[in-house]
Amino acid sequence: ILNVEQSPQSLHVQEGDSTNFTCSFPSSNFYALHWYRWETAKSPEALFVMTLNGDEKKKGRISATLNTKEGYSYLYIKGSQPEDSATYLCALPGVDSNYQLIWGAGTKLIIKP
Amino acid sequence: DSGVTQTPKHLITATGQRVTLRCSPRSGDLSVYWYQQSLDQGLQFLIQYYNGEERAKGNILERFSAQQFPDLHSELNLSSLELGDSALYFCASSRTGWGTEAFFGQGTRLTVV
Repeated sequence: ILNVEQSPQSLHVQEGDSTNFTCSFPSSNFYALHWYRWETAKSPEALFVMTLNGDEKKKGRISATLNTKEGYSYLYIKGSQPEDSATYLCALPGVDSNYQLIWGAGTKLIIKP
Repeated sequence: DSGVTQTPKHLITATGQRVTLRCSPRSGDLSVYWYQQSLDQGLQFLIQYYNGEERAKGNILERFSAQQFPDLHSELNLSSLELGDSALYFCASSRTGWGTEAFFGQGTRLTVV
């Protein structure tokens, strides 16, 4: 079964600082990688879907990179703001799960004013 | 607003009862997914429908069933409810399947008393 790992589990960052965290996955049988942001008391919000090795995607101050050969993706947040406080989830479709998304446990980001 | 509509937002019912949760996907989306989030847990995949057909099943109890109608809206039926079924139930939709981002509704909070 596909194992999706995210690190760190939680992260406290000063407002204005930049930060990044990692999603790791097996490099074999890669199809796609999803990043979502999940704010407390809200529903998950899609950030990116990445499919190609070397993909880089950007949305405002948030960007992501993908390395399928070594099995990791980085999510970067530049100049963190209080509204960036959320849990960031990555998910990948798993062959063994009929391509359903297998979710990581998330990185909980807390921005300190 | 993700474009995915779930009703009702809140539901309180007694043990042993049956309830139906409804989801209207984004216009043009063919896939509908149901997830359960129990207290302080992550997203547990229940079931996926694609264009009216069941595509994949996750850890869905036999007391639970779902369907997707010709207009692509979906219903999740929960019967013989137990206290442990209390959770937030999310519906998500995507254009096709795992290669496209999923858009989540606001969820239905089910409380079984």
